[in-house]
Amino acid sequence: EPEVTQTPSHQVTQMGQEVILRCVPISNHLYFYWYRQILGQKVEFLVSFYNNEISEKSEIFDDQFSVERPDGSNFTLKIRSTKLEDSAMYFCASSTGASYNEQFFGPGTRLTVL
Amino acid sequence: GESVGLHLPTLSVQEGDNSIINCAYSNSASDYFIWYKQESGKGPQFIIDIRSNMDKRQGQRVTVLLNKTVKHLSLQIAATQPGDSAVYFCAESRWAGTALIFGKGTTLSVSS
Repeated sequence: EPEVTQTPSHQVTQMGQEVILRCVPISNHLYFYWYRQILGQKVEFLVSFYNNEISEKSEIFDDQFSVERPDGSNFTLKIRSTKLEDSAMYFCASSTGASYNEQFFGPGTRLTVL
Repeated sequence: GESVGLHLPTLSVQEGDNSIINCAYSNSASDYFIWYKQESGKGPQFIIDIRSNMDKRQGQRVTVLLNKTVKHLSLQIAATQPGDSAVYFCAESRWAGTALIFGKGTTLSVSS
């Protein structure tokens, strides 16, 4: 069964450092997403990506964040200068974009900012 | 603003009972609703979805009910099993391809 994969599973970084979180969406999907979940809280939308551009983003997704699809399979989230409050689980998701908007989630990357 | 919430943060049931998890949403423009299950250390896993033009949809042991009049969504799990223990989130979106807005989650604990 196809699935979304994410690497690394856990990333530890120092405050102010740049991090890149990687995702491989399901191959025939057209929409890609990043969400985050601070420990014990709900899942929050960050950004969606379609046709090689951002289609929607939340208030959380400020200038410190960027996304890229560098090739035909990977989808990345970059945080330029990490802050303590960026510590969270980051989930990548993908969907076909068909009338039912089922988004398939990856296992997540736990980001810890020290 | 847009928000989706759940009525109860925790629900404890006995194995074999039927479980009902509730959710209230605020955006009447939402067209699509999903229930996700999240086990510890994992990403949200799709359970069942429903479009706004329906009021009920059934899957295997699960049923989702949508009441647009009062903006209420519920998930019914029949014959709850220990493996159903997880956090359950409802989520809404406006249309296909758009952001999912999640509620706060209900932790379901099933004891045998």
